Amino acid sequence: EVVLTQSPATLSLSPGERATLSCRASQSVRIYLAWYQQRPGQVPRLLIYDASNRATGVPDRFSGSGSGTDFTLTISSLEPEDFAVYYCQQCTSWPLTFGGGTRVEIK
Amino acid sequence: EVQLVESGGGLVQPGGSLRLSCDTSGFTFISYWMTWVRQAPGKGLEWVANIKFDGTEKYYAKSVEGRFTISRDNAKRSFYLQMNGLRVEDTAVYYCARRNFFDYWGQGIMVAVSS
Repeated sequence: EVVLTQSPATLSLSPGERATLSCRASQSVRIYLAWYQQRPGQVPRLLIYDASNRATGVPDRFSGSGSGTDFTLTISSLEPEDFAVYYCQQCTSWPLTFGGGTRVEIK
Repeated sequence: EVQLVESGGGLVQPGGSLRLSCDTSGFTFISYWMTWVRQAPGKGLEWVANIKFDGTEKYYAKSVEGRFTISRDNAKRSFYLQMNGLRVEDTAVYYCARRNFFDYWGQGIMVAVSS
């Protein structure tokens, strides 16, 4: 089973700041990593798939990078609606797995 | 517009059964893998099961294998999760989703297992 470790667990930032979220895999997942955003009380939303491809309708302040075991989600300038929990997920092998999440909170 | 709508959730006693349904529209259903994901109260996301577009391959999380069964009816554009032997720890919001990275999600449905 591929274990995904997200860091930090919580990120405290102000609107307008840059957010850098990390996801590390216990073994290579090649590029088959996705990122999701979940706002309180809402359904998760796909942001990035195949490590660096933005999903339909996702603003370009969100970008993904990495391959193999180390991945990064960057939010270039935080908007108020970006304060949420972010999950990474691998789809290279079963069982499909999620990371534990990073909460981005307002400082 | 792609839509996924879950139904069939509710409150059940430990050891009981429920069948979740996910009705879809707005895309070529037969072309896609489909997935169930769950989220226990206050917890993170957990993949539960998925099924290939033609139903010939199915995969399950270890936590549900042998108790849950995923199936699909391509004529009805729907897929299902039969949940038997439910446990308290199965309590969660269950989401249906499209593909193996989840580009579209249903609104979620609550399953509560309690005596």
